[in-house]
Amino acid sequence: NAGVTQTPKFQVLKTGQSMTLQCAQDMNHEYMSWYRQDPGMGLRLIHYSVGAGITDQGEVPNGYNVSRSTTEDFPLRLLSAAPSQTSVYFCASKVGTDYGYTFGSGTRLTVV
Amino acid sequence: GQQVMQIPQYQHVQEGEDFTTYCNSSTTLSNIQWYKQRPGGHPVFLIQLVKSGEVKKQKRLTFQFGEAKKNSSLHITATQTTDVGTYFCAGKSGGSNYKLTFGKGTLLTVNP
Repeated sequence: NAGVTQTPKFQVLKTGQSMTLQCAQDMNHEYMSWYRQDPGMGLRLIHYSVGAGITDQGEVPNGYNVSRSTTEDFPLRLLSAAPSQTSVYFCASKVGTDYGYTFGSGTRLTVV
Repeated sequence: GQQVMQIPQYQHVQEGEDFTTYCNSSTTLSNIQWYKQRPGGHPVFLIQLVKSGEVKKQKRLTFQFGEAKKNSSLHITATQTTDVGTYFCAGKSGGSNYKLTFGKGTLLTVNP
């Protein structure tokens, strides 16, 4: 049981580039979310999904897209990277609405 | 929208001293969760509180949910160096809102 796997662990992008942050879980969890963590800001929800084919926006969705074609995978796409998107990104999953999240180890993204 | 405020932002203690962090929501919560994040790590789920006035213990950690379900606290008795990290509360409102809103966290440092 690998839990929640995020790749890559580190990434440097140039302004305007696009990329996809990968997230996969092997626990058959229905709920998956993407959070970004910035110093002094805590964890802010970008997008979430309550099952395959269902996604919705969180607090800070602008500049990001998601899709959920399978239960296991929930990739986060940066459309045109900006320095303001420099952050640590965490993917998390849980089995149901009133359960605790299992977090991945994070992706540290720098946009220059 | 829903806001979750957490105080203090930082707390430095001598090993053996007690520690408390407080969490306050602008709205009534259906449940509240607590997470711990070690420096450089990812958040790890500690516990969930659901009932008004609920108190739960995990060894030296005591978690409380307020009677009005708008506030919560985490108390650590006799801190140890292994308690170092950031403690986050996260609250969810009722109804069809699946989103979990995190507080900004309290960073605990322990002087041995």
